[in-house]
Amino acid sequence: GAGVSQSPRYKVAKRGQDVALRCDPISGHVSLFWYQQALGQGPEFLTYFQNEAQLDKSGLPSDRFFAERPEGSVSTLKIQRTQQEDSAVYLCASSLHDQETQYFGPGTRLLVL
Amino acid sequence: AQKVTQAQTEISVVEKEDVTLDCVYETRDTTYYLFWYKQPPSGELVFLIRRNSFDEQNEISGRYSWNFQKSTSSFNFTITASQVVDSAVYFCALRLHLSNSGGSNYKLTFGKGTLLTVNP
Repeated sequence: GAGVSQSPRYKVAKRGQDVALRCDPISGHVSLFWYQQALGQGPEFLTYFQNEAQLDKSGLPSDRFFAERPEGSVSTLKIQRTQQEDSAVYLCASSLHDQETQYFGPGTRLLVL
Repeated sequence: AQKVTQAQTEISVVEKEDVTLDCVYETRDTTYYLFWYKQPPSGELVFLIRRNSFDEQNEISGRYSWNFQKSTSSFNFTITASQVVDSAVYFCALRLHLSNSGGSNYKLTFGKGTLLTVNP
């Protein structure tokens, strides 16, 4: 079946612009995760959804970051007033439930100029 | 808090050589899972293996093998007879199972990764 998909794959934004990153999880997967991967680093947890409920947003770096999953399927990560330090790869992962293996999408590479 | 250390930043080998990627982890919890993921240049993290802390039996899958040693908190990954297509960044990760220290049981904690280059 289809894996996790993310769009856009690449995004260039001017400092101060708002961006929206989309994640389509594997069909039927209850749990959805967002991670941020800085250059040369491992992914770091941002937030976690179980269906439409955002159960953990402790990893979001600032209140400029906002994530939603209104119908328990597709999720959007929004970054307001982007800053250069937001430049990173944003990875989405889904799993059947939170104790199962997480499967990752290809990521969105965000560059803020 | 959990921590995963991959001390090897980069490894370069010639095709057909065997190579071992090291992973050392830290956790105060007694039950947890360990993972290896592969990240090719395309960027997607590809799941390779999951092991739970109850089971220290080593595992082999084709050219891949994993050595889990709880006594040294290590979960090393060996590729036998490496191929050019094995070139990628490899990440080791840890996730708690039933936390007795207040940690979450769904977050993956990753190491910084090891860049493996297999030259023809």
